[in-house]
Amino acid sequence: AQSVSQHNHHVILSEAASLELGCNYSYGGTVNLFWYVQYPGQHLQLLLKYFSGDPLVKGIKGFEAEFIKSKFSFNLRKPSVQWSDTAEYFCAVNARNNDMRFGAGTRLTVKP
Amino acid sequence: NAGVMQNPRHLVRRRGQEARLRCSPMKGHSHVYWYRQLPEEGLKFMVYLQKENIIDESGMPKERFSAEFPKEGPSILRIQQVVRGDSAAYFCASSPRDDGYTFGSGTRLTVV
Repeated sequence: AQSVSQHNHHVILSEAASLELGCNYSYGGTVNLFWYVQYPGQHLQLLLKYFSGDPLVKGIKGFEAEFIKSKFSFNLRKPSVQWSDTAEYFCAVNARNNDMRFGAGTRLTVKP
Repeated sequence: NAGVMQNPRHLVRRRGQEARLRCSPMKGHSHVYWYRQLPEEGLKFMVYLQKENIIDESGMPKERFSAEFPKEGPSILRIQQVVRGDSAAYFCASSPRDDGYTFGSGTRLTVV
């Protein structure tokens, strides 16, 4: 069955530190990949998505993610985090049959 | 803990019929959110409910769509007089407060 794994449940960083959140999925076919962010008290927002083409995807607010097909991974990165990046981050995988699965989420806390 | 349960997984309706989508939140979660995913797109927020209250319905279409979360029983997303454009995957998430989502597996609505 299709599944999405986010390795880190809670990540704590200081401002200006680099961020990488892991996301692995299990699905053998073609997929679309997403990262969503939920800021405290707000609803989900789309950070970035990958459908095809360049496996390095740029999103909003300085985030990027790299699709590595051989590793079934779609890790989220940001070179230098800010306090305002404190949020919960969800990875999601949408198979071409439109069956979508979410990871359990990673809570990021950025200390000022 | 069974997680967030959505049923049915797949629902087929003819144009003009009513669709009722159910979401049972995780035990102890009193906040429910509904999102719609259109093919090849990300999630769009629809409505946020707590028990017996609609907190935010800013993403709900003005007509034909309604949602409830009664004191007892699951949350229901109701679509009256469905049209082909309503075909989508509908996801429910629950949380014990206003962040920290757990997603259900979704209901795929097909209008024929």
